[in-house]
Amino acid sequence: EAGVTQSPTHLIKTRGQQATLRCSPISGHTSVYWYQQALGLGLQFLLWYDEGEERNRGNFPPRFSGRQFPNYSSELNVNALELEDSALYLCASSLAGASYEQYFGPGTRLTVT
Amino acid sequence: RKEVEQDPGPFNVPEGATVAFNCTYSNSASQSFFWYRQDCRKEPKLLMSVYSSGNEDGRFTAQLNRASQYISLLIRDSKLSDSATYLCVVWNGAGSYQLTFGKGTKLSVIP
Repeated sequence: EAGVTQSPTHLIKTRGQQATLRCSPISGHTSVYWYQQALGLGLQFLLWYDEGEERNRGNFPPRFSGRQFPNYSSELNVNALELEDSALYLCASSLAGASYEQYFGPGTRLTVT
Repeated sequence: RKEVEQDPGPFNVPEGATVAFNCTYSNSASQSFFWYRQDCRKEPKLLMSVYSSGNEDGRFTAQLNRASQYISLLIRDSKLSDSATYLCVVWNGAGSYQLTFGKGTKLSVIP
């Protein structure tokens, strides 16, 4: 069974640009979670999507946004990139509803120069 | 006070040693507790859940003390392959529905 996949693996952007990160959940999973792991910081919860709706959001500014598609894949958009947005962005998926049984993808490493 | 606090380490131990990691959490309403393992530049992977009664999985033993809001992980007979960062993770359930991660404790097992 395929795990959570994320693309791209690496992304390099300049300050002020927009970044789009993609995530495909495990087949049968309908919830997708996004986390940010910046250097020296723990994983920080960003967003939770379930059945196409945003269910919860962490303490991040509105320029972090996303969506979930009918096939349950998800996209994270970061607008007006800042240097401190450089981080590993991890996506996780779970079965429907809020669940602590989350399976993580390999992440997208975003570098903002 | 941070929600989940861990000693960042690093813990440098010889092969075969026993090592213990501790973690404290601030939200007394937290419902579920876990240890994850994260290898360098990789995604975190669930190592084990933590229960008040304590639980063991091979060389790994986890313990939860709800009264003290304290979680521990004990690794016996350390192997080189145990070298990783160990993340203490708390699930807050109703209200926030999110996993809250500690910053992790880095373990290096030395030959």
